[in-house]
Amino acid sequence: DQQVKQNSPSLSVQEGRISILNCDYTNSMFDYFLWYKKYPAEGPTFLISISSIKDKNEDGRFTVFLNKSAKHLSLHIVPSQPGDSAVYFCAARLNAGNMLTFGGGTRLMVKP
Amino acid sequence: NAGVMQNPRHLVRRRGQEARLRCSPMKGHSHVYWYRQLPEEGLKFMVYLQKENIIDESGMPKERFSAEFPKEGPSILRIQQVVRGDSAAYFCASSPVRGNTEAFFGQGTRLTVV
Repeated sequence: DQQVKQNSPSLSVQEGRISILNCDYTNSMFDYFLWYKKYPAEGPTFLISISSIKDKNEDGRFTVFLNKSAKHLSLHIVPSQPGDSAVYFCAARLNAGNMLTFGGGTRLMVKP
Repeated sequence: NAGVMQNPRHLVRRRGQEARLRCSPMKGHSHVYWYRQLPEEGLKFMVYLQKENIIDESGMPKERFSAEFPKEGPSILRIQQVVRGDSAAYFCASSPVRGNTEAFFGQGTRLTVV
């Protein structure tokens, strides 16, 4: 049972435009959500997070939106840059618990 | 990723051998998490340890897998009698506090079982 899903395996965007990566979850007890970026042969790098009591968090070019009623979160990257090309994972934490549940990832390609 | 050191980066083992994966957390971090990533999949939680204690091993396979985080030295993930299905990337993360809000990941160990 996949509790965190990223339904788009890949996304291609032109440099300078907005990238929108989506993530859906099923467990309403998740209390914290994170986005990680991963380059090939490297570990995931933390990007941005959001608590379940908020609906938006912004950090530079990255903004995460949380819609609790729809159990949906999204990561917006504006403007997109070629260096943003990587695999993006969303992850969720259950009740201040010990583990993160990851989605399957979305491969973002930003074309110059 | 800076600070969480995993070694080796690549490990090749024949079926039936043992694999030992090491993780040194960031300085000052006493919480270590192990995750496994199978090809084309997301990361799956395996185990959470604090110094000398296993706190949560709900994601660990029941047999052949074990983990430790001794008082001195790195955390070790040990896989006995490896099988082809164990081939994956194994990532370690560390954090200064419990709760996973900003766990920092190492570069991973890619295990290939031949």
